[in-house]
Amino acid sequence: RKEVEQDPGPFNVPEGATVAFNCTYSNSASQSFFWYRQDCRKEPKLLMSVYSSGNEDGRFTAQLNRASQYISLLIRDSKLSDSATYLCVVNGVTGGGNKLTFGTGTQLKVEL
Amino acid sequence: EPEVTQTPSHQVTQMGQEVILRCVPISNHLYFYWYRQILGQKVEFLVSFYNNEISEKSEIFDDQFSVERPDGSNFTLKIRSTKLEDSAMYFCASSEPQVLNTEAFFGQGTRLTVV
Repeated sequence: RKEVEQDPGPFNVPEGATVAFNCTYSNSASQSFFWYRQDCRKEPKLLMSVYSSGNEDGRFTAQLNRASQYISLLIRDSKLSDSATYLCVVNGVTGGGNKLTFGTGTQLKVEL
Repeated sequence: EPEVTQTPSHQVTQMGQEVILRCVPISNHLYFYWYRQILGQKVEFLVSFYNNEISEKSEIFDDQFSVERPDGSNFTLKIRSTKLEDSAMYFCASSEPQVLNTEAFFGQGTRLTVV
């Protein structure tokens, strides 16, 4: 099993659609979880942290299921500007610092 | 808003040459990292640095690579003898002192092209 696994997509959706991304991780001892967004040839930018209780930020909702080692991201009412690659990121917390492990990313294209 | 800055934005070098990539992390952060992303591939961890020493490194970070914090603000990645396969985007990142639930903030990256 890959350390962090995502469906690479692309997901092509019309503006206004709801889209869901899934991610699984292999290390049950992983401590923290994030969704980052990456635009073409740019740096990853934090979209949101993911908590066991689930969390919402506007149109974005993230869920974590530790038992299944599964993370999800839901985007409602998608906008053209949401087009990007969404990276599932897991922090294993080893040694004296943090090590973020990235999934390959899921590409989203929102179309008119 | 505080940000991580990297220089140069693009570096072209000949195979076998040494390169130094520079980063200025966010000022109150204590953990520093280098990641790389080969074109079309995922972001890969190279090394983390805390309290003036390497805290973890990946298999990619072999003897060709070294990191240094030469002063209170800069954090550098040196590649001693570049290979064609070192061509990638190199991202510097930093995070706050807390260990758990700490996101990392990334610089805009240095695109390294080895010819």
